[in-house]
Amino acid sequence: AQTVTQSQPEMSVQEAETVTLSCTYDTSESDYYLFWYKQPPSRQMILVIRQEAYKQQNATENRFSVNFQKAAKSFSLKISDSQLGDAAMYFCACINTGGFKTIFGAGTRLFVKA
Amino acid sequence: KAGVTQTPRYLIKTRGQQVTLSCSPISGHRSVSWYQQTPGQGLQFLFEYFSETQRNKGNFPGRFSGRQFSNSRSEMNVSTLELGDSALYLCASSLQGDAGTSTDTQYFGPGTRLTVL
Repeated sequence: AQTVTQSQPEMSVQEAETVTLSCTYDTSESDYYLFWYKQPPSRQMILVIRQEAYKQQNATENRFSVNFQKAAKSFSLKISDSQLGDAAMYFCACINTGGFKTIFGAGTRLFVKA
Repeated sequence: KAGVTQTPRYLIKTRGQQVTLSCSPISGHRSVSWYQQTPGQGLQFLFEYFSETQRNKGNFPGRFSGRQFSNSRSEMNVSTLELGDSALYLCASSLQGDAGTSTDTQYFGPGTRLTVL
């Protein structure tokens, strides 16, 4: 069975600082994709970053980057230069190619202090 | 391009009733997935449709059903509502080509907040 675990229910970061959100996953498939989604208080879920499992290079999107450790099945999200607008619920997700079913972690609520 | 739309945004029903939620995907998107979000269970996958075919479903009772129309719009139905069905129901669409590989990025709607009294 496919599982995604986010062990940090809440995290806090000072504005302009860096924070790392953890995610581990388990899948028996060799071909899969990983995602980080952000859900602000307004509730509209948006994609932050995605990583193809076959790519060794870690994905980067502006201030957001991932540390993808395939052997360890770890997929952490680093947010640099944190901004007040980064405050949200962050979900890690995994989908197997051809599985048509995305599994989400329980989420990490990120607080950003001014 | 217009985003994913879901109607209605809020719904209040009583136990035993049934409800139908609607989702209009982004134009050109052929895959629609539904999720139930609750504080206790998080985001749980309900089902996924592509070209009017259900390709996968989550572990929900048969009271939860869905369908997709030829224009890719999707509906989900919950019959015999229970208190535990109170949740935010999210719909997400993705582009996918003819291969329908399911790995395209999902774009989420604002959700329908269902309250069962």
